Amino acid sequence: TQLLEQSPQFLSIQEGENLTVYCNSSSVFSSLQWYRQEPGEGPVLLVTVVTGGEVKKLKRLTFQFGDARKDSSLHITAAQPGDTGLYLCAGHKAAGNKLTFGGGTRVLVKP
Amino acid sequence: NAGVTQTPKFQVLKTGQSMTLQCAQDMNHNSMYWYRQDPGMGLRLIYYSASEGTTDKGEVPNGYNVSRLNKREFSLRLESAAPSQTSVYFCASRVGQPNTEAFFGQGTRLTVV
Repeated sequence: TQLLEQSPQFLSIQEGENLTVYCNSSSVFSSLQWYRQEPGEGPVLLVTVVTGGEVKKLKRLTFQFGDARKDSSLHITAAQPGDTGLYLCAGHKAAGNKLTFGGGTRVLVKP
Repeated sequence: NAGVTQTPKFQVLKTGQSMTLQCAQDMNHNSMYWYRQDPGMGLRLIYYSASEGTTDKGEVPNGYNVSRLNKREFSLRLESAAPSQTSVYFCASRVGQPNTEAFFGQGTRLTVV
């Protein structure tokens, strides 16, 4: 069982539709990060959320950190085929420097 | 800008063989990590080094050892490879301050037969 649970594991949608990916835990994190990974590459950071209730926007992507700092969501508006990839959330706790990842959500946006 | 460099990129081992995966970063980062990623899955932390001279176990350390050789280099050793260790291995580094970005290497694809 992973400390960070992502849902759904796989999402297939048509271009122009919206989607939401969730990242949940029973633990409190000092911050959560979202990464995107393309095939054959390492993950690349999209955003870091630090404050409970924080909302950050990155073009068509909206990220939210839960009030209790135990969960986060990623919402994509009007998805495009270029949004296809593996989305990973990662949590950092206040003590130590451990960075733990969730199981990932594979997103496929069909043209 | 090299960033995080992993060698080798591909490796096939026979069960019981040993090998060391190398990782080097040129960003003067304090913290370094080793993860494994199985097909279609997320990243699982094997070991990490918060700073030079320290190493700590992650979620799946059994069957692996690590060495933080200096600030730049962090190696992962498989003493007696098993088919269950077939995976893609990623090294990452970051500054070491809270909430900072982790930078990843390109990965090492390891197959144990």
